[in-house]
Amino acid sequence: GQNIDQPTEMTATEGAIVQINCTYQTSGFNGLFWYQQHAGEAPTFLSYNVLDGLEEKGRFSSFLSRSKGYSYLLLKELQMKDSASYLCAVRNSGNTPLVFGKGTRLSVIA
Amino acid sequence: NAGVTQTPKFQVLKTGQSMTLQCAQDMNHEYMSWYRQDPGMGLRLIHYSVGAGITDQGEVPNGYNVSRSTTEDFPLRLLSAAPSQTSVYFCASSSKTLTLFGPGTRLLVL
Repeated sequence: GQNIDQPTEMTATEGAIVQINCTYQTSGFNGLFWYQQHAGEAPTFLSYNVLDGLEEKGRFSSFLSRSKGYSYLLLKELQMKDSASYLCAVRNSGNTPLVFGKGTRLSVIA
Repeated sequence: NAGVTQTPKFQVLKTGQSMTLQCAQDMNHEYMSWYRQDPGMGLRLIHYSVGAGITDQGEVPNGYNVSRSTTEDFPLRLLSAAPSQTSVYFCASSSKTLTLFGPGTRLLVL
């Protein structure tokens, strides 16, 4: 079977750093994706990891450990506009569909 | 370059009615898919296509049909709408390292 787990909700303070974890158990692995989704909108792409290690893109970074089935999304210098759901998704093999976790709703407070 | 487009944005149907949700992409991606998103359930795969003339079922295919006669278009058909199909529907278009979503269709079945 396939299982992707991430916390349901998180709260963090403006200007702080927050880490959103994702663990996965899938039949194969060909990449892990993070998406941001504001309420009432479509998911937008944030990051893609296929090899172990950290990928940094501005205030956002994503880490992958394939041996542990684990990833995290790190958001620095939090802003109010970062309040959104963050979706972790795994591609099993080749160009197969993404399998999504249920998402983590992040609230940034002043 | 419009990316992924979906129509309509909103739709209200009565139980038993049929309709087609349209999806088009202009990125020449071979891979397209349909997801539905319900509160607390995350994004669930309905159907997907790896190229013109090729479609396959996802996690929740019952009550939906798809076809892929061209690379650009991937319509989703509801044959006889049921209240359980009330949801937000997202079409996605993929390369090997990126999946982009359309803006979504909000469907209410009464």
